[in-house]
Amino acid sequence: AQSVSQHNHHVILSEAASLELGCNYSYGGTVNLFWYVQYPGQHLQLLLKYFSGDPLVKGIKGFEAEFIKSKFSFNLRKPSVQWSDTAEYFCALFRGSQGNLIFGKGTKLSVKP
Amino acid sequence: GAGVSQTPSNKVTEKGKYVELRCDPISGHTALYWYRQSLGQGPEFLIYFQGTGAADDSGLPNDRFFAVRPEGSVSTLKIQRTERGDSAVYLCASSLPGLAREQFFGPGTRLTVL
Repeated sequence: AQSVSQHNHHVILSEAASLELGCNYSYGGTVNLFWYVQYPGQHLQLLLKYFSGDPLVKGIKGFEAEFIKSKFSFNLRKPSVQWSDTAEYFCALFRGSQGNLIFGKGTKLSVKP
Repeated sequence: GAGVSQTPSNKVTEKGKYVELRCDPISGHTALYWYRQSLGQGPEFLIYFQGTGAADDSGLPNDRFFAVRPEGSVSTLKIQRTERGDSAVYLCASSLPGLAREQFFGPGTRLTVL
């Protein structure tokens, strides 16, 4: 069955710390992966996406993610977080045969100023 | 430009009542999706429209849930005989046609069933 797992429920960091949020997926078809972010009081927004090609994907606001096929992973990284990165982060898999996204449960990131 | 809009933003109803939730997608987006997000969970897929037709309704939990998109633009999600377990945030998203296109999400409707 297709699924997305995010193992970290809540991550607390100080400003300038490095960030890595884990995402693992299970899917037998062509992999299209996304990271979405939800800032407090706002709607879901796309951070970055992977379709094919270079497995290292760069997104907005200094975020990047690396697709590692052998590990079924698509971890999100940022070298130095800011207080404004406080948000909930969702990894999602596009289920190509159906047209919808399968989301992980999300990781809440709290950045202390 | 205008994003995806959803009305109402909040809906409180009593168990057994009927509710309608509305989604107005981005102009030109032919694909429209409904998701449901319960507390502590990621969004879960409900139904996907391509134009006026439901291309995939496999995520609807039971026959109390129904959605329409009669003119290929605005969509309405309808829930009959609401139950307390239906309480959640209902999200709508739209995208351009084609597979794996970026989905743009609306702010959601928070439904509370008392």
